[in-house]
Amino acid sequence: SQQGEEDPQALSIQEGENATMNCSYKTSINNLQWYRQNSGRGLVHLILIRSNEREKHSGRLRVTLDTSKKSSSLLITASRAADTASYFCATDTGNQFYFGTGTSLTVIP
Amino acid sequence: DSGVTQTPKHLITATGQRVTLRCSPRSGDLSVYWYQQSLDQGLQFLIQYYNGEERAKGNILERFSAQQFPDLHSELNLSSLELGDSALYFCASSVAPGQGSSYNSPLHFGNGTRLTVT
Repeated sequence: SQQGEEDPQALSIQEGENATMNCSYKTSINNLQWYRQNSGRGLVHLILIRSNEREKHSGRLRVTLDTSKKSSSLLITASRAADTASYFCATDTGNQFYFGTGTSLTVIP
Repeated sequence: DSGVTQTPKHLITATGQRVTLRCSPRSGDLSVYWYQQSLDQGLQFLIQYYNGEERAKGNILERFSAQQFPDLHSELNLSSLELGDSALYFCASSVAPGQGSSYNSPLHFGNGTRLTVT
């Protein structure tokens, strides 16, 4: 399966700390995207990184992509309670668009 | 607000019944995607339409069908419902045509329809 795998499955941190979650996938991709899902709500797009990019920033988010290792990481700096959500990576292979299994992030005030 | 509208928000029905879920994509988006999210299966891709035509098919059961209409709204029909069909069903839209091309554009998700089969 192309489906990405996020690691860890769950993460609990204190407000103000940084949160890092990882995504691994199996085949070549055109781009990789990260989404956030608040409980019971629809997914919200956070950031897209193309296969020829290695790092991208958006506000407190930093995404890296290593196509040789078929992996990506999402770093959320100076976390806030409002960052509590599930985070999914999604890979675009050109033929399919696959979501990973998600990381559940809890930020403790 | 993503601009994607899904109705109804909640649906409770009995086994063996048939339901229709509706999705209106974001203005300007030609692609509509359907996903099923359950606790033990994660987010599963069902099917995608682009400008009225089916573009990609995922793990969609034969009891399920979908279509996209000329006004670009889409409907997902679920029939002969089973307890295991209870899940959140999401619709998403994007500008990109999807399969066979690089997406390079985000998906915009609705807030889903929560289906409970009793």
